[in-house]
Amino acid sequence: IAGITQAPTSQILAAGRRMTLRCTQDMRHNAMYWYRQDLGLGLRLIHYSNTAGTTGKGEVPDGYSVSRANTDDFPLTLASAVPSQTSVYFCASSLEDATGELFFGEGSRLTVL
Amino acid sequence: GQQLNQSPQSMFIQEGEDVSMNCTSSSIFNTWLWYKQDPGEGPVLLIALYKAGELTSNGRLTAQFGITRKDSFLNISASIPSDVGIYFCAGQETSGSRLTFGEGTQLTVNP
Repeated sequence: IAGITQAPTSQILAAGRRMTLRCTQDMRHNAMYWYRQDLGLGLRLIHYSNTAGTTGKGEVPDGYSVSRANTDDFPLTLASAVPSQTSVYFCASSLEDATGELFFGEGSRLTVL
Repeated sequence: GQQLNQSPQSMFIQEGEDVSMNCTSSSIFNTWLWYKQDPGEGPVLLIALYKAGELTSNGRLTAQFGITRKDSFLNISASIPSDVGIYFCAGQETSGSRLTFGEGTQLTVNP
């Protein structure tokens, strides 16, 4: 079944540790995104990529980095996790950046202690 | 940046009732979208609106793009238990600009 796969589904992490959340899509979508979801704050964009080889900062990029080496993969890295990064992280993709019609993964729940 | 105010924050209704929720913006948007998030899953697109005044239906769901381009409404008729979830509005100022999401409306439907 075509779609977006995120891993891990959930993770508990000690503060200061490095963590990479993986995201893979098989729909050949050009644009990909990482959001975090926190209670009462909706979905906030962390980083995005319009096409392979390019990335951009979203609304809350600090403490996160991304790479887009190919069309399918868009990993999100926390270089040194902090408790405020405890959240549910969603990867999403769209055929192109223009429409706003996003397909989301099922999320990765991250707890930083 | 622009902000979206979504209301109500939560709703508790009986099965069979109609539901209305709305989203307002401090900026003009060219696109409004409504997503639903089932518990434990990622959001799924319900309806996309691309023209001021546009009224679009998807089964029991109807959404409208406000004439002022600063608001949008979602109505659910004859609610059923599987309507439970969080409904998000999202707006896009111009083609290619980043989406801004509302805070979400948590809907609970009592059988």
